Amino acid sequence: DSGVTQTPKHLITATGQRVTLRCSPRSGDLSVYWYQQSLDQGLQFLIQYYNGEERAKGNILERFSAQQFPDLHSELNLSSLELGDSALYFCASSAAPDRVYEQYFGPGTRLTVT
Amino acid sequence: AQTVTQSQPEMSVQEAETVTLSCTYDTSESDYYLFWYKQPPSRQMILVIRQEAYKQQNATENRFSVNFQKAAKSFSLKISDSQLGDAAMYFCAYRSARSGGGADGLTFGKGTHLIIQP
Repeated sequence: DSGVTQTPKHLITATGQRVTLRCSPRSGDLSVYWYQQSLDQGLQFLIQYYNGEERAKGNILERFSAQQFPDLHSELNLSSLELGDSALYFCASSAAPDRVYEQYFGPGTRLTVT
Repeated sequence: AQTVTQSQPEMSVQEAETVTLSCTYDTSESDYYLFWYKQPPSRQMILVIRQEAYKQQNATENRFSVNFQKAAKSFSLKISDSQLGDAAMYFCAYRSARSGGGADGLTFGKGTHLIIQP
């Protein structure tokens, strides 16, 4: 158990809908990362937050957004969902972004868009 | 942009034997970090080992060790005394030491599926 929690574990929704994925980092970790794992694209970095502020962006679509709240939990919002958005979405956390603190991954949320 | 290549989609090894998984990467940076992550059927991503590019000494964690060749941009993982529980997808990952601008995210290879034969 990495100490990173993600809810829900599974999510099934229809095209065009909007969903919110939730992540709670390990106790004391200030940095949260979101990744997408799909058969087509593999594992891709989406976005990072540090202590409530956006820190870095990867291959995140404009239909996707995220935020980190004062209690450090983070939410990833996916809107206008398409079939291709079906994937496993991971959240990871680390102590701080400025040093080589390892990123610890949550169990993931499997999103199925039908 | 950095790229990570794992040229072995699948590897098979007998239990108790040694296996080496290959990884190469492309970067113009001199300071970075490399990682191996394991993803068992549960889909959980588990950190196996890490290597700082500025360190010449190869990292070791129990039965897991790496062969880091900076000039060749190669970072292979050796698993000794393979066990059934080692069966998983193994991902090589790169992270820049430069903070900001996407540098903090990990860049992953496509993965190697490791099969352990009993």
